[in-house]
Amino acid sequence: IAGITQAPTSQILAAGRRMTLRCTQDMRHNAMYWYRQDLGLGLRLIHYSNTAGTTGKGEVPDGYSVSRANTDDFPLTLASAVPSQTSVYFCASSDSGLGRVFYGYTFGSGTRLTVV
Amino acid sequence: DAKTTQPPSMDCAEGRAANLPCNHSTISGNEYVYWYRQIHSQGPQYIIHGLKNNETNEMASLIITEDRKSSTLILPHATLRDTAVYYCIVRGHHPQGGSEKLVFGKGTKLTVNP
Repeated sequence: IAGITQAPTSQILAAGRRMTLRCTQDMRHNAMYWYRQDLGLGLRLIHYSNTAGTTGKGEVPDGYSVSRANTDDFPLTLASAVPSQTSVYFCASSDSGLGRVFYGYTFGSGTRLTVV
Repeated sequence: DAKTTQPPSMDCAEGRAANLPCNHSTISGNEYVYWYRQIHSQGPQYIIHGLKNNETNEMASLIITEDRKSSTLILPHATLRDTAVYYCIVRGHHPQGGSEKLVFGKGTKLTVNP
């Protein structure tokens, strides 16, 4: 693994089903993020985590939940998928915090999710 | 965070310099300017960032005006692989640490033509 790994790369999901998108990083970055990208709307932040054990809501958190049990993993769960959650989902990480220099985000390759 | 304004699209000939402008007239003193790009179907890629001095790395140069109200990303010799959407983002650093959430606008679609 080098950087951020997202799985699956794509998925077709029936509405009402539960789905977890996986995100793993091997850079020991403290902060992680989930974005969704829709045509014409750009990238929108869903949830973020400053450090393991903490999470926060972004711009469009409804219908999604996250957890951060350890530094490396930041799964995104859709409890009951709806068609409006059809999107491309990107996970990202950054190394930030007191005493650190922030060099920006590293993004994964994305998960293309279609809810039918 | 300060809002940015970018042209929706630009064209550039292969081998020539691509100069991508960004206006951020409401930028405050502790806010940095970041540039990312997104090649079709890929995750965004960090390019460069700066506070007030011009910056250069292996990918690009960043020129920030003296009043910091605008900046220009320069790709010195654009190639076809530089065709992408380029995002200019202004963001402060949190002195106490914490999440460095970035807000992406719609960016500039750069097309490099052969």
